Amino acid sequence: GIQVEQSPPDLILQEGANSTLRCNFSDSVNNLQWFHQNPWGQLINLFYIPSGTKQNGRLSATTVATERYSLLYISSSQTTDSGVYFCAVGFSGTYKYIFGTGTRLKVLA
Amino acid sequence: DAGVTQSPTHLIKTRGQQVTLRCSPKSGHDTVSWYQQALGQGPQFIFQYYEEEERQRGNFPDRFSGHQYPNYSSELNVNALLLGDSALYLCASSLLTEAFFGQGTRLTVV
Repeated sequence: GIQVEQSPPDLILQEGANSTLRCNFSDSVNNLQWFHQNPWGQLINLFYIPSGTKQNGRLSATTVATERYSLLYISSSQTTDSGVYFCAVGFSGTYKYIFGTGTRLKVLA
Repeated sequence: DAGVTQSPTHLIKTRGQQVTLRCSPKSGHDTVSWYQQALGQGPQFIFQYYEEEERQRGNFPDRFSGHQYPNYSSELNVNALLLGDSALYLCASSLLTEAFFGQGTRLTVV
């Protein structure tokens, strides 16, 4: 069946470190987004990136649709980056998003 | 732009009761989707409304129903609440592509 898998499930970093979060998906995609969920539950949009590469400050993302994966890069991490990062994939022929299981990031001061 | 707004933010209900959650989409967005997020898991798709019709439905029982109004705002209704319905309910609005989420309604069933 259609699957979205994220890795690693948990990540602990020292402030200032860099990290790469991965999202693998099993089928052709129409839409792909990365979100950061804060401790209050709000899903914050990071990137809308069904293909290609985008950058926004310390964050960047790359999606290689033909190889069915997307990467989120966080550079010079800060304690405020802590939280859960979700990849959400909209597959061809469907209107819904399927979310991955998330990567729980903790950045230590 | 107020973004996606949901009400109420928190709610406590008794098993067997009925609940209505509300969502106002981002300005200019015509599509509203609802998701359920259990503790420690990713959001799960409940259904999507477009042009006041349910366009797609996830794997949820008929106890979950919805409505979309002409101004694109939407409601999620859950009947005969079960303890397992306790979760964060998220509303997302979109216009063709990128989805934006509200802050959610945290429902506790006791």
